[in-house]
Amino acid sequence: GAGVSQSPRYKVTKRGQDVALRCDPISGHVSLYWYRQALGQGPEFLTYFNYEAQQDKSGLPNDRFSAERPEGSISTLTIQRTEQRDSAMYRCASSLNQREAFFGQGTRLTVV
Amino acid sequence: GIQVEQSPPDLILQEGANSTLRCNFSDSVNNLQWFHQNPWGQLINLFYIPSGTKQNGRLSATTVATERYSLLYISSSQTTDSGVYFCAVGSSGGSYIPTFGRGTSLIVHP
Repeated sequence: GAGVSQSPRYKVTKRGQDVALRCDPISGHVSLYWYRQALGQGPEFLTYFNYEAQQDKSGLPNDRFSAERPEGSISTLTIQRTEQRDSAMYRCASSLNQREAFFGQGTRLTVV
Repeated sequence: GIQVEQSPPDLILQEGANSTLRCNFSDSVNNLQWFHQNPWGQLINLFYIPSGTKQNGRLSATTVATERYSLLYISSSQTTDSGVYFCAVGSSGGSYIPTFGRGTSLIVHP
């Protein structure tokens, strides 16, 4: 596609439910990143992939968070047993060659 | 990991004024980007500038990598420039994982 596409744009879920956030990167981009952004803060790194391989998951806060990119294109970030503290903007970015990164519009997650 | 500090944290301008935003980083970098987060929350790429100077219309940026800082200049500011400006860097010698500062919040009044 022309840009990084994330869905849904907004997600409201009840505490304890699982959620799956989707990212469709720019076609052909090798690297895909997931970030979380709290209100008034800069985006914080969660994890990233080169092709289908998860290269670094050091930013995932706990084992309720996981991500996959099975065919080296679309990626899914899954949060199990959501908690109120998980409420944030979740951002996805992609990069062709480990240089300029381009971000999607984000998914605003609210856990009630 | 690398630390990124942006200043000032907040900036209020009258339309038409000029401003300079600063990004300091704690280690050598081989990637640096400036972004504008607009009021709708979208992160828009402004510059990819690990070194040197670039200009795009009323915006320009300079990175002095040896002194570990980058500057973003906004001239003749407009209300549409309002939002948060982020600097993101990647350390030299490793994979590019953008590390963000806390941003500069800019409000431009008409």
